[in-house]
Amino acid sequence: AQTVTQSQPEMSVQEAETVTLSCTYDTSESNYYLFWYKQPPSRQMILVIRQEAYKQQNATENRFSVNFQKAAKSFSLKISDSQLGDTAMYFCAFIWVPSGGYQKVTFGIGTKLQVIP
Amino acid sequence: DAGVTQSPTHLIKTRGQQVTLRCSPKSGHDTVSWYQQALGQGPQFIFQYYEEEERQRGNFPDRFSGHQFPNYSSELNVNALLLGDSALYLCASSSWRGLAHEQFFGPGTRLTVL
Repeated sequence: AQTVTQSQPEMSVQEAETVTLSCTYDTSESNYYLFWYKQPPSRQMILVIRQEAYKQQNATENRFSVNFQKAAKSFSLKISDSQLGDTAMYFCAFIWVPSGGYQKVTFGIGTKLQVIP
Repeated sequence: DAGVTQSPTHLIKTRGQQVTLRCSPKSGHDTVSWYQQALGQGPQFIFQYYEEEERQRGNFPDRFSGHQFPNYSSELNVNALLLGDSALYLCASSSWRGLAHEQFFGPGTRLTVL
């Protein structure tokens, strides 16, 4: 079974600063997908960024980037120039599809990020 | 594009009652997954529907059941409600052949069991 670990229950960052959220996972699979989702206090879960395991290049979406280290099974999220609207719960998610099967999804327990003005 | 919609927004039930939650997937999506999110926790996978059949199921009892309709919308039914069923129930839709199996989430239904 796949597991996803987010070891930082809560974090805070000053506005305009940079923060990194950590995520590690455990799997014996080689082909899978990793995601970071954001859940603001209004609760709608929004996709922040995705990474395909077969891609060596780290994904980047504007102020959001990841540090994907496949051998170390690590998938951290870096938020640059933090904004007040980045205040939210952040969830790391692991998805894989076994051959002939259906997608299997595992979420971490989340990291609560507070951006301080 | 309306995105994923869920109804109702909030629901209050008493122990032993039954509840039905509804989800309409994002336009173009054919797969619906349901999750239970307890307070302060990450989403826990309940089950997934594709082509009107339950394709896989998480570690939830048979009190949790579902249905998918020909228009891809879905229902989650919970029978014999327990206090521990109080949670945010999230619906996520995706395309079976979509990009990287990305899931789009609805706003959720907050269920309170008294």
